[in-house]
Amino acid sequence: QVRLVESGGGAVQPGESLRLSCAASGFTFRNYPMQWVRHAPGRGLEWVGYIRSDGSNAYYGDSVKGRFTISRDNSNNIVFLQMDSLRLEDTAIYFCAKEDWGLPRDWGQGTRVTVSS
Amino acid sequence: AIQMTQSPSSLSASVGDRVTITCRASQGVRNTLGWFQQKPGTAPKLLVYEASSLPSGVPSRFSGSGSGTDFTLTISSLQPEDFATYYCLQNYNYPYTFGQGTKLEI
Repeated sequence: QVRLVESGGGAVQPGESLRLSCAASGFTFRNYPMQWVRHAPGRGLEWVGYIRSDGSNAYYGDSVKGRFTISRDNSNNIVFLQMDSLRLEDTAIYFCAKEDWGLPRDWGQGTRVTVSS
Repeated sequence: AIQMTQSPSSLSASVGDRVTITCRASQGVRNTLGWFQQKPGTAPKLLVYEASSLPSGVPSRFSGSGSGTDFTLTISSLQPEDFATYYCLQNYNYPYTFGQGTKLEI
């Protein structure tokens, strides 16, 4: 079955960087687009971004565009979320998800990111 | 970006009730809309895709309808495990956008 395991979360200060990883198994990773979604404390879900199955294209939510970069390693079944210039409002649990029907269908358990001075 | 507006933002109901949540898009999104359920401390779960289709394993008491700008998620007979927050998500164009959520309290 599909298994997604995020890692790399932690506590950082504003302006710093962090790279999240999502290790995938149980499906043919190279055939599927992947998405990232976050959930900030006390707030709703926010769509972070998408990467095409071959890694050739990516799209981002307005609040992270220009600061976050999604990439993938299809040889090792990993998708990454590089987060630069982090802000207090980036504090959230970050989920990676396998896309089906254009939507995040199968989700990881999430990794917590805390941005605090 | 397309804005998704959900209503109500919270809802109190009883086991056995029929419940409807609505989602309105700021522009037409055809049928490219999904519904998600999230329980505290857990990852969201996809309930509906393409506005009205259910993935395997989703109970048939959940149904979705709508097209264009107006969508609904209906739970025909609430069960205790349906206590959760529900979100719509448009996947018509990038950036995808979620509604603000509807908290369903049993």
